[in-house]
Amino acid sequence: DAGVTQSPTHLIKTRGQQVTLRCSPKSGHDTVSWYQQALGQGPQFIFQYYEEEERQRGNFPDRFSGHQFPNYSSELNVNALLLGDSALYLCASSPGTGAHDSPLHFGNGTRLTVT
Amino acid sequence: LAKTTQPISMDSYEGQEVNITCSHNNIATNDYITWYQQFPSQGPRFIIQGYKTKVTNEVASLFIPADRKSSTLSLPRVSLSDTAVYYCLVGDRRALAGGYQKVTFGIGTKLQVIP
Repeated sequence: DAGVTQSPTHLIKTRGQQVTLRCSPKSGHDTVSWYQQALGQGPQFIFQYYEEEERQRGNFPDRFSGHQFPNYSSELNVNALLLGDSALYLCASSPGTGAHDSPLHFGNGTRLTVT
Repeated sequence: LAKTTQPISMDSYEGQEVNITCSHNNIATNDYITWYQQFPSQGPRFIIQGYKTKVTNEVASLFIPADRKSSTLSLPRVSLSDTAVYYCLVGDRRALAGGYQKVTFGIGTKLQVIP
């Protein structure tokens, strides 16, 4: 049973460019949340997708957008990259409408470096 | 989720028992307490969840006093591989499972195990 998988594992981009990160949720999960984790900080909630729609959003600008596909996988897009966007981007999946006693399952993230 | 307070860092020698306390004065009646562990460059991993008294699994124990305003994560006989950041989260079960709500993390407690 595969857990949450994210790709790529590492990425280097230049300021002003655009980036797309991908996430496949754990089998049986239909809800995907994205987090940004700067060095030395806890994960910060970006947004959550369920039924291909953005359901919740954290305090992030519109440069951060996402998408969920019918197979529940998800993408995070960041436009006009800034140096401050350098971080570990984590994807977490959950059953959403399913069992309430199931914790969030995280992938190992994508390390994005903006130069 | 309820506001939580935990120490920023702790050091412990190998083989010792480690107790990390989390304060959550505004815990609600339906709230549960959940702990996650995060190793460098990995996503957080669920450790344990409890509502009251004591919960134990193969990894840790969670002690919750009667007033539930604090909780203590206990790691028995730590090893170097227990060096990680530990996060305490408090909320209703559905919220903690990522059910249509933002699951936010604080800065956590950085545990350093010393040989």
